[in-house]
Amino acid sequence: EVQLVESGGGLVQPGGSLRLSCTASGFNFSSYWMTWVRQAPGKGLEWVADIKEDGSEELYVDPVKGRFTISRDNAQKSLYLQMNSLRAEDTAVYYCARDSNVIGLDIWGQGTMVTVSS
Amino acid sequence: QSVLTQPPSASGTPGQRVTISCSGSSSNIGNNFVYWYQQLPGTAPKLLIHNNNQRPSGVPDRFSGSKSGTSASLAISGLRSEDEADFYCAAWDDSLRALVFGRGTKVTAL
Repeated sequence: EVQLVESGGGLVQPGGSLRLSCTASGFNFSSYWMTWVRQAPGKGLEWVADIKEDGSEELYVDPVKGRFTISRDNAQKSLYLQMNSLRAEDTAVYYCARDSNVIGLDIWGQGTMVTVSS
Repeated sequence: QSVLTQPPSASGTPGQRVTISCSGSSSNIGNNFVYWYQQLPGTAPKLLIHNNNQRPSGVPDRFSGSKSGTSASLAISGLRSEDEADFYCAAWDDSLRALVFGRGTKVTAL
């Protein structure tokens, strides 16, 4: 079964750090761009970051540039999001998704909740 | 303010046709494919339409997408109660170098 499972969410204080993980199964992970999308409580979807198949290119939405880092380990079929200098406005459910190029984000994980609060 | 503009809500009685609009610009919809995602309550989003008007395997044919210029639309023909969800349009934006989403449209079956 093609599946993505996120982990690593939780409660963190403003200014703190958190590392999210996403483990893939059922497909050739190293053949796809991978994406993080977030959704603040009661709000819409916001694209956060993308990483190329081999990790050689990363793209970020402006509000997280310089604070978040997307990475991957193809041998472990895992995607990561290192989040530093967290702010209250980063509070959201974070989803990882498979980016099937022109097909779009065709596989999504169940999401992991990140709460930034003192 | 989102780069892509959608109405916040849409509704219809079961069996009716419901249409959701998505307005953008030349840097996103006008020059790139449009995608639609459906998010049922309490669940992760699901790809509904890709490449403007293509349905992934398993998506009922009552869902259809179209694009003209810098606007796109999603139509639900024969609305069902199980279609109640939030629907999001998305497109790559060449100027922002980012994937942009609309704010979402909540569809209700009356």
